[in-house]
Amino acid sequence: GAGVSQSPSNKVTEKGKDVELRCDPISGHTALYWYRQSLGQGLEFLIYFQGNSAPDKSGLPSDRFSAERTGGSVSTLTIQRTQQEDSAVYLCASSLYGRGTSGEKLFFGSGTQLSVL
Amino acid sequence: SQQGEEDPQALSIQEGENATMNCSYKTSINNLQWYRQNSGRGLVHLILIRSNEREKHSGRLRVTLDTSKKSSSLLITASRAADTASYFCATDAWNQGGKLIFGQGTELSVKP
Repeated sequence: GAGVSQSPSNKVTEKGKDVELRCDPISGHTALYWYRQSLGQGLEFLIYFQGNSAPDKSGLPSDRFSAERTGGSVSTLTIQRTQQEDSAVYLCASSLYGRGTSGEKLFFGSGTQLSVL
Repeated sequence: SQQGEEDPQALSIQEGENATMNCSYKTSINNLQWYRQNSGRGLVHLILIRSNEREKHSGRLRVTLDTSKKSSSLLITASRAADTASYFCATDAWNQGGKLIFGQGTELSVKP
């Protein structure tokens, strides 16, 4: 597609339920990032996929969070046993190579607003 | 912890005035980028400055980088109401494995 697509745009769930958030990066982009943004706060890095390399999971806040990227394209962020503190906007971004030193810019989706009641 | 810290956290100015936002970081960087976010959703890339550059311009935007002070500033000249948004710096550092780390952002309000 023309841009990064995230779905759903809004998700309301009950505490303790599992949720899956989806990200479709720009076609051909090898790097994919997930960030979390709590209300009025900055972006918190969660996980980074680059090509076929092992993902950088250093930002995942707990083992309730996991992410996959199938076929080097679509990614799913899964949050198990959701808690109220998981409420936030979850942003996905992609870039062409993701090697950092090339100074690539990230292209962001519009995010998924997750509300845990 | 986050690499970049921005100040001020919030800035309110009148249309036509200039807006300056600052970003400080902790470790040596490859480059620093500025992004804009409207309404708490997706971010849009504004400008990138490399570690060997000191100043860069793009339209009404001017970015400076002082690697000795580990700081950068974003200047928006002749601001417009449409510039109202949150602005974030993001650093790409040698020890970050290729990922960008974002600061907390500056919320800019431009009053007509």
